[in-house]
Amino acid sequence: AQSVTQLDSQVPVFEEAPVELRCNYSSSVSVYLFWYVQYPNQGLQLLLKYLSGSTLVKGINGFEAEFNKSQTSFHLRKPSVHISDTAEYFCAVSDQYNAGNMLTFGGGTRLMVKP
Amino acid sequence: DGGITQSPKYLFRKEGQNVTLSCEQNLNHDAMYWYRQDPGQGLRLIYYSQIVNDFQKGDIAEGYSVSREKKESFPLTVTSAQKNPTAFYLCASSIAGVDTDTQYFGPGTRLTVL
Repeated sequence: AQSVTQLDSQVPVFEEAPVELRCNYSSSVSVYLFWYVQYPNQGLQLLLKYLSGSTLVKGINGFEAEFNKSQTSFHLRKPSVHISDTAEYFCAVSDQYNAGNMLTFGGGTRLMVKP
Repeated sequence: DGGITQSPKYLFRKEGQNVTLSCEQNLNHDAMYWYRQDPGQGLRLIYYSQIVNDFQKGDIAEGYSVSREKKESFPLTVTSAQKNPTAFYLCASSIAGVDTDTQYFGPGTRLTVL
């Protein structure tokens, strides 16, 4: 079985500052990794995903994430945040042997950007 | 525009009543999913379907039921057997239900049991 841990439930940051949202996973097999964003009272939207190849993945809205297999991590970063980035961010994992594209989600990190 | 619609946005239910949440997609996706979201717990999978007339239980299927009679529709019934149904429910779909697919989410239904 796989699991995902998002180490910070809330991250406050000032506008234009850099941010890192941490995600660690555990799995006995190779995985695919996803970051989703959820704005208040809305569904989730894909930010980026890692399937294979380069470990640095660039996504929408200036976000990027780096896959580190030895540390089983997939941290999300943005060099300069905006007020509009205030949202909840979810890391998710899918393993190559599961049927039906079942995702396991972390508990979420609420990013709060302050002016 | 293609997308996923969920209705209603807010739903109130009395204890002991069954209630059905609607999910429709016009993306021509084969796979559809239902998740439950509770504060601090992320999303948990209730049911998923990879093809019409077939569906599988997820991690927390007890107290829920689904049907998949049409490709575009995947309604979820919250039965009176679900002990703690108050939550935010999200429906999603993906092209083929393979593990590399992106899942696309609807806007959600917030269910409150009175």
